[in-house]
Amino acid sequence: AQKITQTQPGMFVQEKEAVTLDCTYDTSDQSYGLFWYKQPSSGEMIFLIYQGSYDEQNATEGRYSLNFQKARKSANLVISASQLGDSAMYFCAMSCSNDYKLSFGAGTTVTVRA
Amino acid sequence: EAGVTQSPTHLIKTRGQQATLRCSPISGHTSVYWYQQALGLGLQFLLWYDEGEERNRGNFPPRFSGRQFPNYSSELNVNALELEDSALYLCASSLWVRGLSTEAFFGQGTRLTVV
Repeated sequence: AQKITQTQPGMFVQEKEAVTLDCTYDTSDQSYGLFWYKQPSSGEMIFLIYQGSYDEQNATEGRYSLNFQKARKSANLVISASQLGDSAMYFCAMSCSNDYKLSFGAGTTVTVRA
Repeated sequence: EAGVTQSPTHLIKTRGQQATLRCSPISGHTSVYWYQQALGLGLQFLLWYDEGEERNRGNFPPRFSGRQFPNYSSELNVNALELEDSALYLCASSLWVRGLSTEAFFGQGTRLTVV
């Protein structure tokens, strides 16, 4: 069975600093996709970034980048130049070719301090 | 382009009643997912529909059911409501390409309260 692990329940970061959110996964599939989502207190899930298992380059989207280390099965999210609006819960998720669903980690709460 | 829309945004029901939640996917998306998120907790996978058929189901009792219509919109039904069914219900849509989901986009959720 596929599994996503986020070991950091909560993190504090100073405004304008970078923060790294850890995500490790476990799958025997060679073909899979990794996703990060942001969930502010309003509850909506906002798609941030995607990394395919065959992508050679790490994905980047604005201030978000995904540090993909395939051999270590990790897909950490880096948020650069943190803003107060980045305070939210962040979820890592995975889609595998033989598991018809998106599996989510437990999430990490990020609080940005002024 | 319209995103994923869910209705209603809030729903209050009495224990034992039935609840019906609705979801309209992004135009062109054929896959619809349903998740339950209890307060302060993570997302629990409920159901996945693709091309009108239920393709996968999470570890929930049969009183959680749903369907997908020819226009790919979807309905989640919860029968015999229990207090612990109170949660945010999130719907997402995506495409399924070569056996993998593309990025899934979520609606704003339906907050179900059972009293």
